[in-house]
Amino acid sequence: GQNIDQPTEMTATEGAIVQINCTYQTSGFNGLFWYQQHAGEAPTFLSYNVLDGLEEKGRFSSFLSRSKGYSYLLLKELQMKDSASYLCAVHPSGGYQKVTFGTGTKLQVIP
Amino acid sequence: KAGVTQTPRYLIKTRGQQVTLSCSPISGHRSVSWYQQTPGQGLQFLFEYFSETQRNKGNFPGRFSGRQFSNSRSEMNVSTLELGDSALYLCASSLYGNEQFFGPGTRLTVL
Repeated sequence: GQNIDQPTEMTATEGAIVQINCTYQTSGFNGLFWYQQHAGEAPTFLSYNVLDGLEEKGRFSSFLSRSKGYSYLLLKELQMKDSASYLCAVHPSGGYQKVTFGTGTKLQVIP
Repeated sequence: KAGVTQTPRYLIKTRGQQVTLSCSPISGHRSVSWYQQTPGQGLQFLFEYFSETQRNKGNFPGRFSGRQFSNSRSEMNVSTLELGDSALYLCASSLYGNEQFFGPGTRLTVL
């Protein structure tokens, strides 16, 4: 099975940088997803990391270390609209394995 | 390309009743997954269907069932509803079961 851990809540200031961590334990690993979910809405895809390293997409970057079972999502130049929950999800290997989601990190951006 | 659609968006039922929720995936997507989301538990995987076959199943009681039709549309059914079944039910479609595109969800309230 999979075990995914991420902080429950974080608060950051508009214009700042915030890093949301995710650690996981899994018997087999294909890749790791990050999703953003605004209150009352469906999750939307942010990134999918398969290889070690940092992948940058505009203000959002995602990092993966497969050997450490660790990932983080980096949000730069925070905007009020970035207030949302950020879900880390593991895509295990071994046939048609289901994607398993963490419980999410609720980020509040304050002025 | 139209996104994932779910019907109904909101539903109120009483204990003991049964309910059927519907999901239409993105055109061309053959994988449909169902999740239950509650404030305390996050996104809990229910099951995944691929080409009309249940490919994965989460740890939910047999009261939760689903099916997929030849056009990839999927339904999930919950029988003998309990208060604890009140949740947001999300459907997600993907091409092969990795990157998932979520529908808006069905908010089920059991009284």
